[in-house]
Amino acid sequence: QKEVEQDPGPLSVPEGAIVSLNCTYSNSAFQYFMWYRQYSRKGPELLMYTYSSGNKEDGRFTAQVDKSSKYISLFIRDSQPSDSATYLCALDRGAQKLVFGQGTRLTINP
Amino acid sequence: NAGVTQTPKFRVLKTGQSMTLLCAQDMNHEYMYWYRQDPGMGLRLIHYSVGEGTTAKGEVPDGYNVSRLKKQNFLLGLESAAPSQTSVYFCASSSTSPSTGELFFGEGSRLTVL
Repeated sequence: QKEVEQDPGPLSVPEGAIVSLNCTYSNSAFQYFMWYRQYSRKGPELLMYTYSSGNKEDGRFTAQVDKSSKYISLFIRDSQPSDSATYLCALDRGAQKLVFGQGTRLTINP
Repeated sequence: NAGVTQTPKFRVLKTGQSMTLLCAQDMNHEYMYWYRQDPGMGLRLIHYSVGEGTTAKGEVPDGYNVSRLKKQNFLLGLESAAPSQTSVYFCASSSTSPSTGELFFGEGSRLTVL
């Protein structure tokens, strides 16, 4: 069983839709949760970072962590074509070793 | 405003050949990492360094070696390339532990081993 599972998609939605991206994990020791965004042929860039359970909002983006269910989500409101990218969840298990999900490829259609 | 620079960006090797990927960062970061990215596998950590002169193994270190002789550079070597090492390689750096700080990635190096 992989430590982190993420639906690879692809996911295609119309512009303006609310997008929900999700990851599940198996190790209850994970404490820090991140979302990275990766445009085609580019390196990933940090989008959001959360600690422990709860929600964190940054503009149109909301990161949600449910530690009891071992489930993390990223919501994108009013999605834009510029949001088209691959989104990777990343979880910390200490000692400088992030564990990344497989990434979900998202396309926002104008 | 270079950030993290990887060279070369593309390379084709034959099985058994050797090569070195160079990563350079100009942000004075202590931590540096080498990842590989394969379809359906996400990013997997190969080796990392927590400071000049230090290196440590990640999840998938076999077939790779690294060196961090200078703080700003992190080299990834393949001594005898195999087709299974065909991948996109990303270097990253951070000023603190990645759990509390941001990883800055390069644009990737695409390696094909025939």
